[in-house]
Amino acid sequence: ETGVTQTPRHLVMGMTNKKSLKCEQHLGHNAMYWYKQSAKKPLELMFVYNFKEQTENNSVPSRFSPECPNSSHLFLHLHTLQPEDSALYLCASSHKDRGSNEKLFFGSGTQLSVL
Amino acid sequence: RKEVEQDPGPFNVPEGATVAFNCTYSNSASQSFFWYRQDCRKEPKLLMSVYSSGNEDGRFTAQLNRASQYISLLIRDSKLSDSATYLCVVKGGANNLFFGTGTRLTVIP
Repeated sequence: ETGVTQTPRHLVMGMTNKKSLKCEQHLGHNAMYWYKQSAKKPLELMFVYNFKEQTENNSVPSRFSPECPNSSHLFLHLHTLQPEDSALYLCASSHKDRGSNEKLFFGSGTQLSVL
Repeated sequence: RKEVEQDPGPFNVPEGATVAFNCTYSNSASQSFFWYRQDCRKEPKLLMSVYSSGNEDGRFTAQLNRASQYISLLIRDSKLSDSATYLCVVKGGANNLFFGTGTRLTVIP
């Protein structure tokens, strides 16, 4: 049990569908992240939220839309995705402070397949 | 140039062997370093932080060489349960974490 829960675990969607990924952290952390993990590639940071404010958007296409209603919940809204968007989407949280020893706690991920 | 580079492996070693992985990073201003472990079809989990003076946790030893910009992970007396992908993670100057592609280890009975 990592303290970060993601739903759904698996998702198959067509290119015209709209779906949302959900993440919830129970660790009292103040930062949340979305990462994308594709085969044979390093984890790619997509979005970062600090205290509910988006601080990073790493040139992610607009078909991915994040939402962070509070410091415990994070969503990733998906629409008109492409087959190359098929990947494992990982949510993570951390406690950001002035120190540099920041540790990420990941959820189990959503394995997304776009047909 | 990639921020973090790792040999993807796979490393296949017998039980009880000692195995070492290296990871190089490109940004000399990087401040924090970590090793994460990821089992097949699971999420990454923090294995250990890497300190300037080197650190040890049981059979695992991590070292940092700032001059050559690499970190290493040494696993002694390998167990079957050590089979996983080991991710090198570096915190860059912009406070972002950069992941390597991971090194896959298989410990063979």
